[in-house]
Amino acid sequence: RKEVEQDPGPFNVPEGATVAFNCTYSNSASQSFFWYRQDCRKEPKLLMSVYSSGNEDGRFTAQLNRASQYISLLIRDSKLSDSATYLCVVNLRRGTANDYKLSFGAGTTVTVRA
Amino acid sequence: EPEVTQTPSHQVTQMGQEVILRCVPISNHLYFYWYRQILGQKVEFLVSFYNNEISEKSEIFDDQFSVERPDGSNFTLKIRSTKLEDSAMYFCASSPEGQTTYEQYFGPGTRLTVT
Repeated sequence: RKEVEQDPGPFNVPEGATVAFNCTYSNSASQSFFWYRQDCRKEPKLLMSVYSSGNEDGRFTAQLNRASQYISLLIRDSKLSDSATYLCVVNLRRGTANDYKLSFGAGTTVTVRA
Repeated sequence: EPEVTQTPSHQVTQMGQEVILRCVPISNHLYFYWYRQILGQKVEFLVSFYNNEISEKSEIFDDQFSVERPDGSNFTLKIRSTKLEDSAMYFCASSPEGQTTYEQYFGPGTRLTVT
């Protein structure tokens, strides 16, 4: 089973629509969770961290369900500029504070059309 | 806003040649990483580096790869004898010490093309 799995999409939505997608992770010891955004041929950029209680940042809402080991991202009032690939990222710390790595999902592609 | 920088932006090399990819992490960060992304595939962890030593490496990071922090600012990835399958985008990232959420900040990447 892959460490992080995402629905690849693509999700093709009109401007102003709401779009939501999930990600599942396999390692129950995972400790930190993030959504990164990646534009074509660019570096991943942190969109938001995901906290157990769920959190919101403007039009973006992230949820974490540790029992079911999934993370979700919801985008409200989609803008053309939201078109990107959204990467689900899980951080697993093993042992010391220095010994951890990020595991990336393959990404969910979102295209917002005018 | 401070950022991670990488040079060169694009490197073309012949199979079997050595390449060195360079990164300048954010100045007060102490944790450094290399990732790669083959075209159309996911971002993959290669190696993490802290306190002048490797703290973790993936199965991809074999004996052909090495990392170094030769001075107080640069962080390099060397591939000794490149193969065609090393063609990918290589991202450097850094993270400050003590961040409980372990956010990592990525550089713009070096596109490596092995011919």
